Amino acid sequence: GQSLEQPSEVTAVEGAIVQINCTYQTSGFYGLSWYQQHDGGAPTFLSYNALDGLEETGRFSSFLSRSDSYGYLLLQELQMKDSASYFCAVRRKADKLIFGTGTRLQVFP
Amino acid sequence: NAGVTQTPKFQVLKTGQSMTLQCAQDMNHEYMSWYRQDPGMGLRLIHYSVGAGITDQGEVPNGYNVSRSTTEDFPLRLLSAAPSQTSVYFCASSYSSSGGDREQFFGPGTRLTVL
Repeated sequence: GQSLEQPSEVTAVEGAIVQINCTYQTSGFYGLSWYQQHDGGAPTFLSYNALDGLEETGRFSSFLSRSDSYGYLLLQELQMKDSASYFCAVRRKADKLIFGTGTRLQVFP
Repeated sequence: NAGVTQTPKFQVLKTGQSMTLQCAQDMNHEYMSWYRQDPGMGLRLIHYSVGAGITDQGEVPNGYNVSRSTTEDFPLRLLSAAPSQTSVYFCASSYSSSGGDREQFFGPGTRLTVL
């Protein structure tokens, strides 16, 4: 079987740093993706890790440890517009993406 | 580029009716897929295609059919709608099924209600 676990909700204040963890169990693992989804909107791609280590894209960073089946998304200098749901997704063969249930981030002033 | 487009945006069906959700992309992407998203849930893969003429099942394929006669279009057909199929349906595409780009581009979604 396969499963992904991430916290259901995280809260933080503007300007803070927040980390959203994701642990997974799956066969045929190719990489870990992160997507952002605002209420009523479509998911949008944030990052992808195929190898162990940290990938940085502006205020967002993503980390992967294949040996621990673990990854996280790090959001720095939080802004109100970062309030959204964040999904980790395991990429399996043929680009099959299996999504977690999502973490709802609420940013307060 | 229009990206990934989906029609209709909203649809209400009665139990037992059939319908087709349309999805098209103009980015010449090889890979296309259909997901459903239920309230407070992640996206679950219904069917996917790695190129014209090739389709395969995802996590929750029962009650749905797909075909891929062209690179651009990937329609999803509900054979006999059931209330359990009430959901938001997203179509997505990406450049390559192996190597290269890993980003999937999502359409705006179709909100389906089955009564």
